[in-house]
Amino acid sequence: AQKVTQAQTEISVVEKEDVTLDCVYETRDTTYYLFWYKQPPSGELVFLIRRNSFDEQNEISGRYSWNFQKSTSSFNFTITASQVVDSAVYFCALSEARTGTASKLTFGTGTRLQVTL
Amino acid sequence: NAGVMQNPRHLVRRRGQEARLRCSPMKGHSHVYWYRQLPEEGLKFMVYLQKENIIDESGMPKERFSAEFPKEGPSILRIQQVVRGDSAAYFCASSPPPGQLQETQYFGPGTRLLVL
Repeated sequence: AQKVTQAQTEISVVEKEDVTLDCVYETRDTTYYLFWYKQPPSGELVFLIRRNSFDEQNEISGRYSWNFQKSTSSFNFTITASQVVDSAVYFCALSEARTGTASKLTFGTGTRLQVTL
Repeated sequence: NAGVMQNPRHLVRRRGQEARLRCSPMKGHSHVYWYRQLPEEGLKFMVYLQKENIIDESGMPKERFSAEFPKEGPSILRIQQVVRGDSAAYFCASSPPPGQLQETQYFGPGTRLLVL
């Protein structure tokens, strides 16, 4: 069975601070995918990143960066110089990698990030 | 290039009524997934469909819930005889066919169902 744990329920930071959102996962699969989604106050889900289990390179996209460590089963997300617009609930998710067909996502419970001025 | 579309965005039903939620996938996507988000919780998988075929319904409640994705038209999630516990946000996602980054699911804006 797959499981995603986001231990931080809520984080509050002041604008321009860096913040890291933790994600720990469990799976028996040797090949899998990891995701981060953002859910702003308006409620929609915005795709941020997908990472394959065989690719442990860290990724940076603007102020966002992701640290994938297979040894600790973690896929942490860092926002540098946070802004008020970053305020949202962030979900980490996991799916199996199946040949020829897609697979359901298993979500963590989310981390609510509040960025204040 | 329209994204995943869901309607209605908000739906109010009284206990015992039926709720029908619609989802039109992104252009070129043939896989549809439904997830449910209870208040203050993460999303839980319900069902995965391709055109005219249910692939995985392991997350669907055994009674009152059904889903379809016909050859023509949107995918429908149907909840019969709704109860207050069905109040939640229902999200639809779609992904491309196998071999085309099928692992990434793109979500619609959700339907917020409120059962009175």
